[in-house]
Amino acid sequence: GAVVSQHPSRVICKSGTSVKIECRSLDFQATTMFWYRQFPKQSLMLMATSNEGSKATYEQGVEKDKFLINHASLTLSTLTVTSAHPEDSSFYICSARRSVEQYFGPGTRLTVT
Amino acid sequence: QKEVEQNSGPLSVPEGAIASLNCTYSDRVSQSFFWYRQYSGKSPELIMSIYSNGDKEDGRFTAQLNKASQYVSLLIRDSQPSDSATYLCAVNRSGTYKYIFGTGTRLKVLA
Repeated sequence: GAVVSQHPSRVICKSGTSVKIECRSLDFQATTMFWYRQFPKQSLMLMATSNEGSKATYEQGVEKDKFLINHASLTLSTLTVTSAHPEDSSFYICSARRSVEQYFGPGTRLTVT
Repeated sequence: QKEVEQNSGPLSVPEGAIASLNCTYSDRVSQSFFWYRQYSGKSPELIMSIYSNGDKEDGRFTAQLNKASQYVSLLIRDSQPSDSATYLCAVNRSGTYKYIFGTGTRLKVLA
């Protein structure tokens, strides 16, 4: 199979702090990873496409200075939410592309108090 | 028109019946098509991929693709209560990285 892990699974932080989320492809190399956000009872929203060794491509309306993405290796991409605010509270899900298929990590539930 | 459209449901079927989920897409050059299952509070899980016209079967699941009519469907035979989830249709255009997801159809299998 194609296994993607995410860490942490759940995080609570205070407003104004930064949070880093890691996404790893465990049994394959992924030149492309994606970061999504999902609010309760809403559909997936693509935030950015992360390509190994190059800058991420952000979707319209996503602040690149607030959501920092680094894809330093073929198995690891990180998303850092900087200066988090309560409205950033959401379910953040990464995925990794293998061939043409996309495999999702288990997600990270972020709560900003 | 949305790029990928799905009926939001809920689609309710009795246990043991066939559940039929449909998806239409607008981009004629789309090449790859996927069905994901998402349980409440969890991330999506890939259950089927299909690339050419016709049917593709995997266990109780059958994906059907009709590129001329621009639709892809998922049939779930012998539906079980554990199949109750939201099913997401996704489309990928050859040569691009981006996948376009539908908003999902919520399926309820009644015991």
